[in-house]
Amino acid sequence: KNQVEQSPQSLIILEGKNCTLQCNYTVSPFSNLRWYKQDTGRGPVSLTIMTFSENTKSNGRYTATLDADTKQSSLHITASQLSDSASYICVVRTGNQFYFGTGTSLTVIP
Amino acid sequence: GAVVSQHPSWVICKSGTSVKIECRSLDFQATTMFWYRQFPKQSLMLMATSNEGSKATYEQGVEKDKFLINHASLTLSTLTVTSAHPEDSSFYICSARADRGRGETQYFGPGTRLLVL
Repeated sequence: KNQVEQSPQSLIILEGKNCTLQCNYTVSPFSNLRWYKQDTGRGPVSLTIMTFSENTKSNGRYTATLDADTKQSSLHITASQLSDSASYICVVRTGNQFYFGTGTSLTVIP
Repeated sequence: GAVVSQHPSWVICKSGTSVKIECRSLDFQATTMFWYRQFPKQSLMLMATSNEGSKATYEQGVEKDKFLINHASLTLSTLTVTSAHPEDSSFYICSARADRGRGETQYFGPGTRLLVL
């Protein structure tokens, strides 16, 4: 069964600290994996997209990693800011189907 | 980056009325658009896949007569919630898949919040 699981479900960190969000998937065959940021009441915005051959990809303070062998991905946020407070969603694509994780709700407090 | 708009951004209606939500890709053509529904604190749930010029493909459990989808052009898809009821209150999000030139990325709209009284 194709599934995408994210952890933790929610996370609270102090402004300026780093954090890492996890995404484990069983989707097969694998096409690509995306991390999205969704602010409350808004649509998701793409942060990174990774294909099978990519291990690491950065977008500013966001760094995503992918281990296709263990089917795990992580999103590392460096020097968190208050504006990073949002839900982060991992989406794995196989063919023309997209499988969404349940998301990690991140709250950054001053 | 590519932009997807939705209109309206929010709507309040009486039970029994129909509501139409528009999804537009503003600077690219999208042969495929997706409609999602999201309940509070939950992830997006795919409702249907809309292909320009053909009938939409609905996910299991989604009533096609209840949620009418029309992909009239390469830049516009509409979702009509017919005879809306309070349980249809939700956050509806569309996404448009850009062509290969943009890496076949999905771009999401800002969402439409529907409240049925």
